[in-house]
Amino acid sequence: EIVMTQSPATLSVSPGERATLSCRASQSVSSNLAWYQQKPGQAPRLLIYGASTRATGIPARFSGSGSGTEFTLTISSLQSEDFAIYYCQQYNKWPPWTFGQGTKVEIK
Amino acid sequence: QVQLQESGPGLVKPSGTLSLTCGVSGGSIRSSNWWSWVRQPPGKGLEWIGEIFHSGSTNYNPSLKSRVTISVDKSKNQFSLKLSSVTAADTAVYYCAREPGTANNYYFDYWGQGTLVTVSS
Repeated sequence: EIVMTQSPATLSVSPGERATLSCRASQSVSSNLAWYQQKPGQAPRLLIYGASTRATGIPARFSGSGSGTEFTLTISSLQSEDFAIYYCQQYNKWPPWTFGQGTKVEIK
Repeated sequence: QVQLQESGPGLVKPSGTLSLTCGVSGGSIRSSNWWSWVRQPPGKGLEWIGEIFHSGSTNYNPSLKSRVTISVDKSKNQFSLKLSSVTAADTAVYYCAREPGTANNYYFDYWGQGTLVTVSS
């Protein structure tokens, strides 16, 4: 099983600032990496797939990068609606598809 | 716009079987997509349970494989989850989700709103 490790667990950021979230895979997942945003009481929402491709309707302030075992999600200028939990997921090797434990982005 | 909707009992007794159904609207379950179940215990992260193709082919998380059955009903455009021998550790919000499924695209692009299943006597 591929283990996905996200850091930090919690990120405190002021509105308008840049947020950088990390995701590391225990073995190479190529570019088969997705990012999701989850707000309280809601289902996860797909943000990024293929490590760097924004899903339909996702604002340009969200960007993804990386390949192999190291990945980054960057939110260039945090808006109030961006405070949420973010998960990465690998889909290079199953079973199973695996998620990171999440990074909570909170208001500083 | 594809929409998914989970349904089923919100309370299951220990050692019983959890049964949920996911109805698909705005698209056909006979498409090239795979259809998954994902769960999230209260306050915790996401765990993939398993997936099914409209042909009936399935893949399961090895950690749950002995207790999980996923099936598809093409006539009703829905798929279902059964999890047997449940314990309190199976208490979670259960989501159904769609995978594009083509060209190695096995991420989840559409999700249901989720349903909380509590295991308790």
